[in-house]
Amino acid sequence: DVQLVESGGGLVQPGGSLRLSCAASGFAFNNYWMTWVRQAPGKVVEWVANIKGDGSAEYYVESVKGRFTISRDNAQKSLYLQMDSLRVEDTAVYYCVRDTYYGSGSYYGDYWGQGTLVTVSS
Amino acid sequence: EIVLTQSPATLSLSPGDRATLSCRASQSVRSSLAWYQQKPGQAPRLLIYDASNRAAGIPARFSGSGSGTDFTLTINSLEPEDFAVYYCHQRYSWPLPFGPGTKVEIK
Repeated sequence: DVQLVESGGGLVQPGGSLRLSCAASGFAFNNYWMTWVRQAPGKVVEWVANIKGDGSAEYYVESVKGRFTISRDNAQKSLYLQMDSLRVEDTAVYYCVRDTYYGSGSYYGDYWGQGTLVTVSS
Repeated sequence: EIVLTQSPATLSLSPGDRATLSCRASQSVRSSLAWYQQKPGQAPRLLIYDASNRAAGIPARFSGSGSGTDFTLTINSLEPEDFAVYYCHQRYSWPLPFGPGTKVEIK
């Protein structure tokens, strides 16, 4: 069975850093784009960043560019999100998502982890 | 940057009713649109991909239609477990925004 388990969330002060991890199992990790999606409490879902299977391409939402870095270790079947210069507005549950190619030219997030909560507060 | 809008914000219906949810894109996303369902305390679940294809394990009462800028999610004969928030999500161009959601609540 496909499993995605996030870890690394917690309370951090504004301006601080945090590194999220996602442990993947049950599928050929290196063959899939992977994505981080976040959701602030009571708010809408926001796509944050994604990375190609071999790590050769990555994309970010404008609000995190230059502050967040997505990466992966295919040998360890792990996805990461390094978050620096954190802001109060980065407070959210962060989900690790597997993107699957459905043969039409587009990828869609078909498996999601349970999420890890990041709270940025002084 | 593509912006998605959803209407209505809230839909109050009874079990057995039909729900019709709308998603509009600020520019064409062709058919690269998905619908997700989210229940409280849970991650979103993929329902529909490529505008009209049901994901694995999704009941036939869920159907999607549309292309370009206008899309519809229809839920025929609402079951108690269908009361949730529904998001559309475009996968045509980066960044990849979600819509603001439609809450389907029990009337």
